[in-house]
Amino acid sequence: DTGVSQDPRHKITKRGQNVTFRCDPISEHNRLYWYRQTLGQGPEFLTYFQNEAQLEKSRLLSDRFSAERPKGSFSTLEIQRTEQGDSAMYLCASSLGGQEAEAFFGQGTRLTVV
Amino acid sequence: AQSVTQPDIHITVSEGASLELRCNYSYGATPYLFWYVQSPGQGLQLLLKYFSGDTLVQGIKGFEAEFKRSQSSFNLRKPSVHWSDAAEYFCAVDPNQAGTALIFGKGTTLSVSS
Repeated sequence: DTGVSQDPRHKITKRGQNVTFRCDPISEHNRLYWYRQTLGQGPEFLTYFQNEAQLEKSRLLSDRFSAERPKGSFSTLEIQRTEQGDSAMYLCASSLGGQEAEAFFGQGTRLTVV
Repeated sequence: AQSVTQPDIHITVSEGASLELRCNYSYGATPYLFWYVQSPGQGLQLLLKYFSGDTLVQGIKGFEAEFKRSQSSFNLRKPSVHWSDAAEYFCAVDPNQAGTALIFGKGTTLSVSS
């Protein structure tokens, strides 16, 4: 399968713990995006990378959140000191870049903070 | 305020009947427009997109959408719905026409009755 891969698919954590998610984009896709989707809502943009550079961050990305894409390939999203409000589906997408490139989405990581 | 509105939270359609899902956007300039479908346990899949030109666009799975500038709308249609079309549908816009952040509506859940 050469689609966007996310790991883990599910994560349950206790409030206050740190969690890290991984996204492997489609090979040769130079743009990588993170979105968050809560129940009953559409995905909300968090951040995106062009190769290894993080070019845009949403106001939703508080200082407890950090995303990296160290070699311009896979990306990690870390949430520190998790709160119950962080419970959501975290979606990763990738594209070839350019104005009209299609973004391909992974199946997401579902985070539950208890 | 800039927004994407999907007025219908839930729609039920009989199998074989026609379908129209509504989407309105509120942006100063015409953004790039998209429809995505999300089935349980699946990632978001692009159905169709509009950048410019012909205002009636064809997509996958027999879907089409019509862009109406005067109404700031981009409604999704299908002439004959199949049970496998039951899913959640999201309208999205790229307000900057840059292939960066997508802004999604809250989604419409489609149920198909036999």
